[in-house]
Amino acid sequence: EVQLVQSGAEVKKPGESLKISCKGSGYSFSTYWIGWVRQMPGKGLEWMGIIYPGDSDTRYSPSFQGQVTISADKSISTAYLQWSSLRASDTAMYYCARRVTGTGFDSWGQGTLVTVSS
Amino acid sequence: DIQMTQSPSSLSASVGDRVTITCRASQDIRNDLGWYQQKPGKAPNRLIYAASSLESGVPSRFSGSGSGTEFTLTISSLQPEDFATYYCLQHNSYLSYSFGQGTKLEIK
Repeated sequence: EVQLVQSGAEVKKPGESLKISCKGSGYSFSTYWIGWVRQMPGKGLEWMGIIYPGDSDTRYSPSFQGQVTISADKSISTAYLQWSSLRASDTAMYYCARRVTGTGFDSWGQGTLVTVSS
Repeated sequence: DIQMTQSPSSLSASVGDRVTITCRASQDIRNDLGWYQQKPGKAPNRLIYAASSLESGVPSRFSGSGSGTEFTLTISSLQPEDFATYYCLQHNSYLSYSFGQGTKLEIK
């Protein structure tokens, strides 16, 4: 069974850094792209970026380029989303999802809630 | 970038009703579209892929149709567990994706 398990909820202050994770199991992690999706409180889904764990090839939505960094460690089947300096506007639920060639995102993590507040 | 316009943004319906949600793409995306259901506090769950293929385990009352720029998700007979928010997602652009704005389906 394909599973993506994300790290737990975080509460941070503006200006702090953060790295959240998404661990895959039940499939060959290195050979599927992993995407990240943001959902701000009460709002819709926004695609942020995507990484291929096999070689760490990464693409970003123009809206998120330079705002976050996506990385992966294929040796431990884990993808990451990180911020160097959080803002209150980063408060949101963040999901990772597995991309299957030609069909979009089939499996999703449970989400990580990030709250940024002074 | 490909823009997805989803309508309506909200919809009130009763158990047993037939409902249709529409997504329009800003350019031809062939059939590179999926439909997702999201319940409060949960991750999205894919119902339909390739515009009209039903995901395994999804009830047959859900169906998708369309190609090119216009797509629909139809629920043939609403059940209580279907009240949720629905999103379309295009994946036609290589490694670039966009969601519709979402449709909140509420009980009338």
